[in-house]
Amino acid sequence: ELHLVESGGGLVQPGGSLRLSCAASGFTFSSYWMHWVRQSPEKGLVWVSRISTDGSSTYYADSVKGRFTISRDNAKNTLYLQMNSLRAEDTAVYYCARDYKTMIDSWGQGTLVTVSS
Amino acid sequence: DIVMTQTPLSLSVTPGQPASISCKSSQSLLNSDGKTYLHWYLQKPGQSPQVLIYEVSSRFSGAPDRFSGSGSGTDFTLKISRVEAEDVGVYYCMQGIHLPRTFGQGTKLEIK
Repeated sequence: ELHLVESGGGLVQPGGSLRLSCAASGFTFSSYWMHWVRQSPEKGLVWVSRISTDGSSTYYADSVKGRFTISRDNAKNTLYLQMNSLRAEDTAVYYCARDYKTMIDSWGQGTLVTVSS
Repeated sequence: DIVMTQTPLSLSVTPGQPASISCKSSQSLLNSDGKTYLHWYLQKPGQSPQVLIYEVSSRFSGAPDRFSGSGSGTDFTLKISRVEAEDVGVYYCMQGIHLPRTFGQGTKLEIK
């Protein structure tokens, strides 16, 4: 059975950093592009970033470009999101998600990131 | 960025009655490969989103057949033929033709 399990969320001060992880199981992780999507009550579902199967291609939303870095370790079946220079507006539940034929077909349970002093 | 606009933003439906949600995109979602990359999701209370419909009208594995999708170009509709109590939640459309992926604002379905 497919599982995506995020971890690493928490409370951080503005300007701080966090690294999110997503452990994948139940499918061939290295064969799929992967996404991070975030959700807040104010903005709804917002796509954050996508990474290719081998990690050579990455894409970011303008709102996080230059501050966030997506990466993956296919040997460990793990997706990452390094988040720097965090702002209050980055507060959200962050989902790890799998890309399949242009849709996002599987989502993790999410990890909450709160940016506040 | 492609803007996705859903209407209505909320629905209250009697069990057994039909429901319909509209989604309009600011650009055509028809790709050069002939496919249209518009997908529908349901986020049940306390859960992550789940795929219902992909590429306008194809039901995803496990999606009940009371859900159907239609549309083309920039105008799309999700229909529930007979609403059941388990259908409560927030419905989202998402375009898959361009990055950034963008979602509609969501339509909250409640049962009367």
